[in-house]
Amino acid sequence: KAGVTQTPRYLIKTRGQQVTLSCSPISGHRSVSWYQQTPGQGLQFLFEYFSETQRNKGNFPGRFSGRQFSNSRSEMNVSTLELGDSALYLCASAGTSGTDTQYFGPGTRLTVL
Amino acid sequence: GENVEQHPSTLSVQEGDSAVIKCTYSDSASNYFPWYKQELGKRPQLIIDIRSNVGEKKDQRIAVTLNKTAKHFSLHITETQPEDSAVYFCAASREGNKLVFGAGTILRVKS
Repeated sequence: KAGVTQTPRYLIKTRGQQVTLSCSPISGHRSVSWYQQTPGQGLQFLFEYFSETQRNKGNFPGRFSGRQFSNSRSEMNVSTLELGDSALYLCASAGTSGTDTQYFGPGTRLTVL
Repeated sequence: GENVEQHPSTLSVQEGDSAVIKCTYSDSASNYFPWYKQELGKRPQLIIDIRSNVGEKKDQRIAVTLNKTAKHFSLHITETQPEDSAVYFCAASREGNKLVFGAGTILRVKS
C-alpha cells in the first residue's frame, strides 16, 4: 500500500496570507489527524477528522481549520498567517474508529516571513 | 488535559549498550501508548505501541513496559546500533486518535 502523502512539501508565505495543506491517507484509512511540530513546542495535536467529521480538536486558535472529503483526503487551512505558524505540519492516517495506529506523512514545511 | 513528560531529553550510549527512555502521563483514562522514532528530516515512524490492558510488549530489540498504577511507561532498546540514533517520542491517547506527545529524547549511539 502507498503511504501517507502530503502536498506541498515546502511552502513560503508572508504574514497575513493564508495557506492550504493537503493530506492523502493510506488507502482504506478513514481517520486523518493533523499535528504541528516546532522546536519549541514539539508535536502538538491540531485536529482529527473521521468520515468527514471533526472528531477531536486541539488547543489552537480558530485560524486553523480543516476538512475531510468523501475519499478521506484532508486539507487544513491556516488564515492570517503569523511568524509563529512556521512549523512542520504533519498529518497521520489511521484505519478505524477508536484509538488506532497512526502512520505519519512526510510533512509540509511552512515558513512564514 | 493530558500531559506527557519524557526523560531524559538526551541520551548517549555506547554501541551494544541498552537505552531506556521513560514517560509519565497525567490522565488515568489514557489507554494507548505509542513510541515513534524520527530521524533528521524524516517523518515520525511507529516503532512499538502498547495498550492499557497489557503490561509489556516486545519486538526484537525493542520493548515497552507500562505501569498503569504509577502512570508511566518506558521504552527499552537493547544492543543499540548506530542506526538507532534518532529522536524518540512517546505519546498517550485517551480518545480517538488524539495523541499527546512527550518532548522527545535525542538518542546518540556512539560506535
